[in-house]
Amino acid sequence: SYELTQPPSVSVSPGQTASVPCSGHKLADKFVSWYQQRPGQSPVLVIYQDSERPSGIPERFSGSNSGNTATLTISGTQPVDEADYYCQAWDNSTVVFGGGTKLTVL
Amino acid sequence: EVQLVESGGGLVQPGGSLRLSCAASGFSVSTNSMTWVRQAPGKGLEWVSFMYNGAATYYEDSVKGRFTISRDNSKNTLYLQMNSLRPEDTAVYYCARVHGPTMVWGVITDGWFDPWGPGTLVTVSS
Repeated sequence: SYELTQPPSVSVSPGQTASVPCSGHKLADKFVSWYQQRPGQSPVLVIYQDSERPSGIPERFSGSNSGNTATLTISGTQPVDEADYYCQAWDNSTVVFGGGTKLTVL
Repeated sequence: EVQLVESGGGLVQPGGSLRLSCAASGFSVSTNSMTWVRQAPGKGLEWVSFMYNGAATYYEDSVKGRFTISRDNSKNTLYLQMNSLRPEDTAVYYCARVHGPTMVWGVITDGWFDPWGPGTLVTVSS
């Protein structure tokens, strides 16, 4: 079965750029979505179709997908961005989530 | 405003059954694709089931044959019937609307989830 791999944790200082990678075999052949989940809350869509940003999501969130790796980038990271982030893709009509990355802003 | 609210969770013994409901407002479940995703305590997201454009259904392997996704158009509600429950089914269950589902040569290749409901907790334990 298809797998998406994310690092368990990423740390960033306030105001700096955070990069959260998601890797999978030939991932660039698939569309990737990203979800933010703050503690005790439901997931929120922040990026879809690799790099599209839903309305209401700050411009500091962006995405890319090339080769075997998709990346969620948060520019000018703010303390409110501290959360778990999950990548998601489709494989053979089933949904695959990455294991999630805890972003710490310190 | 588009909104989803799950209900029906609770404590059930192994081998038991539960039916989860997902009440939608602001859009129609009959003309949209919908999905169920679960999250075990302290763990990541795990996809459970998907209904494509209110018709074709898909399941994660571990729930195939035990869970059934369905909808009631008159109540604008999505359901997840869960039978033969196991302790490893313990999780918060979320429903979500699926945008942009794409089928190519009979295979779903895209779709993103927005919004998500607040979730309902299912605990399978004796």
